[in-house]
Amino acid sequence: AQSVTQLDSHVSVSEGTPVLLRCNYSSSYSPSLFWYVQHPNKGLQLLLKYTSAATLVKGINGFEAEFKKSETSFHLTKPSAHMSDAAEYFCVVSANAGNNRKLIWGLGTSLGVNP
Amino acid sequence: EAQVTQNPRYLITVTGKKLTVTCSQNMNHEYMSWYRQDPGLGLRQIYYSMNVEVTDKGDVPEGYKVSRKEKRNFPLILESPSPNQTSLYFCASSLSPTSRAYNEQFFGPGTRLTVL
Repeated sequence: AQSVTQLDSHVSVSEGTPVLLRCNYSSSYSPSLFWYVQHPNKGLQLLLKYTSAATLVKGINGFEAEFKKSETSFHLTKPSAHMSDAAEYFCVVSANAGNNRKLIWGLGTSLGVNP
Repeated sequence: EAQVTQNPRYLITVTGKKLTVTCSQNMNHEYMSWYRQDPGLGLRQIYYSMNVEVTDKGDVPEGYKVSRKEKRNFPLILESPSPNQTSLYFCASSLSPTSRAYNEQFFGPGTRLTVL
């Protein structure tokens, strides 16, 4: 069975410092992995995705994530946080369930950015 | 512009009053799905549709109905809403999950529903 664990429910950083949001997954098959961001009272925006190509994936707004199969991890990083990065971040694994392509969602990590 | 639209964006209603949340996509996607988002529970799938006239239950289908009469539309129907259906709802669409071209699901802006 597929599952996703986001290791921190809340992360707080200072503006200009690095961001690390941690995600571990469990999958019986080669997974597709995604990071989504949700700003307050907004919809879901895709940050980046891994679909069995390069293991280091670059996304929008300076974010990137590295797929590490040996560690079953897909951590999200950004070298320098901006105030506008404050939001909820979701790690997602795409799992085949018969004909259905289910998205298994982590519970989210709330990122706070201090001035 | 390629997009998934939902209406209404906000809705406050009372227990038992039937309502429909519409979802429409303009990307000619075969697959559509409804999710609900609740604090501490993440996003959970309600129903999905592989194509026109093909729908199936997700993880939390109780109290909901869907229909897929046209490829672009996938309305969510609450025949008799209850307070435990107060939630944020998202519609999503994508190419067929069995297609080699499948890549990602595209989400609508969300519908915030309150049932009193």
